[in-house]
Amino acid sequence: SQQGEEDPQALSIQEGENATMNCSYKTSINNLQWYRQNSGRGLVHLILIRSNEREKHSGRLRVTLDTSKKSSSLLITASRAADTASYFCATDGGSNYKLTFGKGTLLTVNP
Amino acid sequence: DAGITQSPRHKVTETGTPVTLRCHQTENHRYMYWYRQDPGHGLRLIHYSYGVKDTDKGEVSDGYSVSRSKTEDFLLTLESATSSQTSVYFCAISEELVFGANVLTFGAGSRLTVL
Repeated sequence: SQQGEEDPQALSIQEGENATMNCSYKTSINNLQWYRQNSGRGLVHLILIRSNEREKHSGRLRVTLDTSKKSSSLLITASRAADTASYFCATDGGSNYKLTFGKGTLLTVNP
Repeated sequence: DAGITQSPRHKVTETGTPVTLRCHQTENHRYMYWYRQDPGHGLRLIHYSYGVKDTDKGEVSDGYSVSRSKTEDFLLTLESATSSQTSVYFCAISEELVFGANVLTFGAGSRLTVL
């Protein structure tokens, strides 16, 4: 069964706007990761947040984690057309080496 | 996709035939994974390996077997392909980081169609 579930399933915004995607999960975790997948390609790691962290930044990415609500959000600021992709959260369910992915959010950034 | 190669990238086969997908890495990473990606299901773990000859099942392992005789190669075999195994298959590798978290590097995917 899917550990993480992203919301919304699809998001369409204009270039320059911010995009927020959410992830909910079911069991305790050691860390949560976000990945991006461009059409027809493999997934690429974006950012990792550990269970004892509440917020993390990397360039235009900001990730928050609320372990009490078992949820995370990914914010992409000042979006660009090149950010168009599917975004997945992945959780380890307490197992460091086995990741479970959600179904993803398809982000479309219109020029 | 540097350091990880999947083959074949595309394959069309018939129901009942055996199929083997190969994942080859040049990174000497310990962990290797096979996922399948289907519309509406996201990525689901089929099997994974934590060392040579050490493998374990994921959440959708029925109908699949794996082998890892060398660090660099992880093979996924469909003994008798069925139409429900039509999917895009991704191999991934990881090396445990110092704080215990594994970040996956994915291959480009193998698109399998079973007629």
